Amino acid sequence: AQKVTQAQTEISVVEKEDVTLDCVYETRDTTYYLFWYKQPPSGELVFLIRRNSFDEQNEISGRYSWNFQKSTSSFNFTITASQVVDSAVYFCALNAGNNRKLIWGLGTSLAVNP
Amino acid sequence: DAGVTQSPTHLIKTRGQHVTLRCSPISGHKSVSWYQQVLGQGPQFIFQYYEKEERGRGNFPDRFSARQFPNYSSELNVNALLLGDSALYLCASSLAPTGAYEQYFGPGTRLTVT
Repeated sequence: AQKVTQAQTEISVVEKEDVTLDCVYETRDTTYYLFWYKQPPSGELVFLIRRNSFDEQNEISGRYSWNFQKSTSSFNFTITASQVVDSAVYFCALNAGNNRKLIWGLGTSLAVNP
Repeated sequence: DAGVTQSPTHLIKTRGQHVTLRCSPISGHKSVSWYQQVLGQGPQFIFQYYEKEERGRGNFPDRFSARQFPNYSSELNVNALLLGDSALYLCASSLAPTGAYEQYFGPGTRLTVT
């Protein structure tokens, strides 16, 4: 079975705090792809990152960083020095095998307060 | 370059009516996918089209249908609307018809069925 779990339903932080959003995935396939998307209040899903199962290098993009650990089946997302504009729902998603669709987590709602 | 566009932005229909939602993909993208997102949940896959052919279908009733045109734009049709069809309908485009490629989403059409 393929599954994505985002255990944190809601997170609230104060601006400039660091925050980590957890994502745990399940798949028996050896080839798979993991994604993070941001959905601000406007509703449009914004692509953040794609990572394949053969690349465990962590990635940093500005204030965003991702930690991919196959040993724990996790693909966590950290925002450093959070800003109010980071307030959104963040989704982790999985594509595995020959599946044509993404398996989505339920999302984590992040509120960054001034 | 223009991103994925969807029309209309908002729509209010009554039960039993029919609705057509439209999507134009990013230039050069030949794959279009449709998702339904109910409040508080992740997107649910409805259809994927590539080169005008259906390549994937989610667990939705036959009231839902779609097609893709020669210019790669797409329509999603829903017949005999039910109250439960009220949701945000998202269109996503990608280069290839696999879930392994990043998908770029439009702003969505918010459908309310009364």
